[in-house]
Amino acid sequence: DTAVSQTPKYLVTQMGNDKSIKCEQNLGHDTMYWYKQDSKKFLKIMFSYNNKELIINETVPNRFSPKSPDKAHLNLHINSLELGDSAVYFCASSQDGQARTGELFFGEGSRLTVL
Amino acid sequence: AQSVTQLDSHVSVSEGTPVLLRCNYSSSYSPSLFWYVQHPNKGLQLLLKYTSAATLVKGINGFEAEFKKSETSFHLTKPSAHMSDAAEYFCVVRAGGYQKVTFGTGTKLQVIP
Repeated sequence: DTAVSQTPKYLVTQMGNDKSIKCEQNLGHDTMYWYKQDSKKFLKIMFSYNNKELIINETVPNRFSPKSPDKAHLNLHINSLELGDSAVYFCASSQDGQARTGELFFGEGSRLTVL
Repeated sequence: AQSVTQLDSHVSVSEGTPVLLRCNYSSSYSPSLFWYVQHPNKGLQLLLKYTSAATLVKGINGFEAEFKKSETSFHLTKPSAHMSDAAEYFCVVRAGGYQKVTFGTGTKLQVIP
């Protein structure tokens, strides 16, 4: 049983389209995250939710909108896709977003390619 | 504020020789430190973590790391590299509170047969 699962794994789309990536965790964690990994493997935090409440919102274009219907799910919707949005998007979760000792558990990633 | 620096973007070793991946950090608070591994087209997997107990931490697949406060370092080592160790490795610092987890820029480990 996969702990953090994301769908789809691969996404190829045209500029200007809207797309969503879904994430679910079955670990009972309180906190979930979206990270963006660029072509140089650099990981950048985008958003973090704790019990459905947004707690971290980095400088991300407002074309990106996260939604957390419950604490086990955190989806990412992207409007008007641009070439620069091409990246691998990782969902992650941790037991408690405040605890410095808690490690993050990652999904396998969703590779988005914008043509 | 916190930051983490991985001193080498690329490390190449021969199979069976030791591995050393270097990481330095800075933090205003007592941090936890983590090493993650990412194999090609995969997610990140936790190798080991330091959370203020023993300074020498053992992880999976024979890896270990030593927390040295005086040097603000948390280098990752393995006595003997295996081909399956070829991957990207990330050092991570976390100081608690609703603060973002800070990743290093990654070190790509190449293992030569």
